Amino acid sequence: GQQLNQSPQSMFIQEGEDVSMNCTSSSIFNTWLWYKQDPGEGPVLLIALYKAGELTSNGRLTAQFGITRKDSFLNISASIPSDVGIYFCAGGFGNEKLTFGTGTRLTIIP
Amino acid sequence: NAGVMQNPRHLVRRRGQEARLRCSPMKGHSHVYWYRQLPEEGLKFMVYLQKENIIDESGMPKERFSAEFPKEGPSILRIQQVVRGDSAAYFCASSATVWREQYFGPGTRLTVT
Repeated sequence: GQQLNQSPQSMFIQEGEDVSMNCTSSSIFNTWLWYKQDPGEGPVLLIALYKAGELTSNGRLTAQFGITRKDSFLNISASIPSDVGIYFCAGGFGNEKLTFGTGTRLTIIP
Repeated sequence: NAGVMQNPRHLVRRRGQEARLRCSPMKGHSHVYWYRQLPEEGLKFMVYLQKENIIDESGMPKERFSAEFPKEGPSILRIQQVVRGDSAAYFCASSATVWREQYFGPGTRLTVT
């Protein structure tokens, strides 16, 4: 099945740095979801986006629904150790199943 | 405010045995989805169910795998005659509206020996 391309695949940052990651697709979506997965756990929903151009925040996290409807961005400000994990995007259109991205693994260097 | 519940969290089966994975959706959610995740990989859709109905099973292997969501009780993902390649984490998610915000359970990690 189709997968979304997430970039970068992995990030190594220092505590306190800002983080940016994105998700791109060849198809348009009308829903973008961002999840975080910790080792051994299920994905946790962070942010949901439903309108092109929409910018939504959840604490230090901000996500945007790209105006082309083919991409989405997630930013994390002032990273802390508990931000470590894998971040997945998911796109949806109408009554079609969600398509999940390949994931961005975030590691914080001490 | 119970979230999606899955059990067991870990399941070990020998080749040829059956595996039964259970999922109780969040209260008020009538849409259930099953996903499979291999180590270091993303989530692969398997099946979408509503109460007593399979809506989309396009991601389910044609043989040995089946799913149900009965009128009463949890959704069940059943894998018959397991093989080593079935070893993976299986996640259940639920939503109040079809295909919209999906909330995941903690997963069942199946190991086939």
